[in-house]
Amino acid sequence: GESVGLHLPTLSVQEGDNSIINCAYSNSASDYFIWYKQESGKGPQFIIDIRSNMDKRQGQRVTVLLNKTVKHLSLQIAATQPGDSAVYFCAEIYTNRDDKIIFGKGTRLHILP
Amino acid sequence: DSGVTQTPKHLITATGQRVTLRCSPRSGDLSVYWYQQSLDQGLQFLIHYYNGEERAKGNILERFSAQQFPDLHSELNLSSLELGDSALYFCASSVSRGTGTGELFFGEGSRLTVL
Repeated sequence: GESVGLHLPTLSVQEGDNSIINCAYSNSASDYFIWYKQESGKGPQFIIDIRSNMDKRQGQRVTVLLNKTVKHLSLQIAATQPGDSAVYFCAEIYTNRDDKIIFGKGTRLHILP
Repeated sequence: DSGVTQTPKHLITATGQRVTLRCSPRSGDLSVYWYQQSLDQGLQFLIHYYNGEERAKGNILERFSAQQFPDLHSELNLSSLELGDSALYFCASSVSRGTGTGELFFGEGSRLTVL
């Protein structure tokens, strides 16, 4: 599962700094959103989710923010570590309709030493 | 280890050929999803099966087909292969019928190269 060759925007962050990864979703009717992390050689892994009746949700070192007005989702990673180096995908779902998880293009997070 | 097993891990074949990719979901998971990941398109949803029944279809070509068997494993069949079919094909599973929990468990993918 090599994702290195993907043509993706890259965010470079100093180790220890906070990272903010942004995502614009497409369907204003989407009511459920997820962030996935894909490390090199592996499949995507669930990080955190948020439903449309919330605008913020916190996990361990991660926070997801949802702005439905502008159809924008962000993932904040606190105190970025080398192990956070990966491709991050946002995904949207319209749960009452077609039951499909639609992934965004992804952002590569590169950690600078 | 997600518990989802995909075989083969790598496959090289020629245009016009047909291949079958196999997925064994996590124990107890009834839903299987197939995704295609290519360089320019990211993760594209292909199809979703729940307990043997097709639940949702995405951008799956007519040359591609899938099924989920009674033992819940799934196969993705790709025929009349073209160069553009070269990609990583991921299988994911979840326990639920719908996508309400969002937590899909992905396998490590099958890398298909069409020459």
